[in-house]
Amino acid sequence: GENVEQHPSTLSVQEGDSAVIKCTYSDSASNYFPWYKQELGKGPQLIIDIRSNVGEKKDQRIAVTLNKTAKHFSLHITETQPEDSAVYFCAASAGSSNTGKLIFGQGTTLQVKP
Amino acid sequence: EAGVAQSPRYKIIEKRQSVAFWCNPISGHATLYWYQQILGQGPKLLIQFQNNGVVDDSQLPKDRFSAERLKGVDSTLKIQPAKLEDSAVYLCASTSMGATDTQYFGPGTRLTVL
Repeated sequence: GENVEQHPSTLSVQEGDSAVIKCTYSDSASNYFPWYKQELGKGPQLIIDIRSNVGEKKDQRIAVTLNKTAKHFSLHITETQPEDSAVYFCAASAGSSNTGKLIFGQGTTLQVKP
Repeated sequence: EAGVAQSPRYKIIEKRQSVAFWCNPISGHATLYWYQQILGQGPKLLIQFQNNGVVDDSQLPKDRFSAERLKGVDSTLKIQPAKLEDSAVYLCASTSMGATDTQYFGPGTRLTVL
C-alpha cells in the first residue's frame, strides 16, 4: 500500500545550524509533496510544498528538494531559530486516487537549542 | 479569513460511550477531511467529503465511526461505542478544490477514552 517513511524521528541542533529531514514514498504516481509544522496543541500548518514537475523550491530559510527517480524528498532549514522547534511532517499525495488524499510520515521532532 | 473551527477541543469519555466532534471549514471550501492522529504518529485520513458527498472513507472503521456533512458546509464525526484505542487527536482540514490544493487544518479535538 501507500507509505511514507520519515527520518530522523528526533533532531536536535544548535541555534544557527541547519536541519535536514528526509522522506521516502512508495507510490510512483504521487505528484504533490507538502511539509507541515505542528506546534504543541495546534493543528499542522503548511510551511512549503513541491510538485512533481519541480526539483527544488525555496522560501527564505526553508527549502525542499525532490528526487522522483529515487522517490525521496527532503526539507532543509537553514539558520535555525528556537521558534523552529516543533514536529515536522512530510506527506505525499496518494497519486492513484487523485482526490487530494495525503499520506503522512511519522513526524520529526526538531529541537533548536539557544 | 477565519480558519477551520473545531469543537470541543478536549473530551474525556469512558469506553463504550459515544462522542461527537464538530468541524466548520473555511468559508467556501468544498472539500473537507477528517484525520485521526495517534500520539507520536502522523495524521491518518478517516474520511473525505466533496461538498456533501463522500469521496473516500476506505479507512473509516464503519462499525463504530460515522460522519456526515449534510449541507456541504460543517461536518460531524461520531464514535459509538468508543474503544481505548480511539484515544487520539481528531483533526479536520479543508481545501477549496481538492487534489494538490493546500489543506488547512483546524486545532483538533483531543479525545481520551478511559
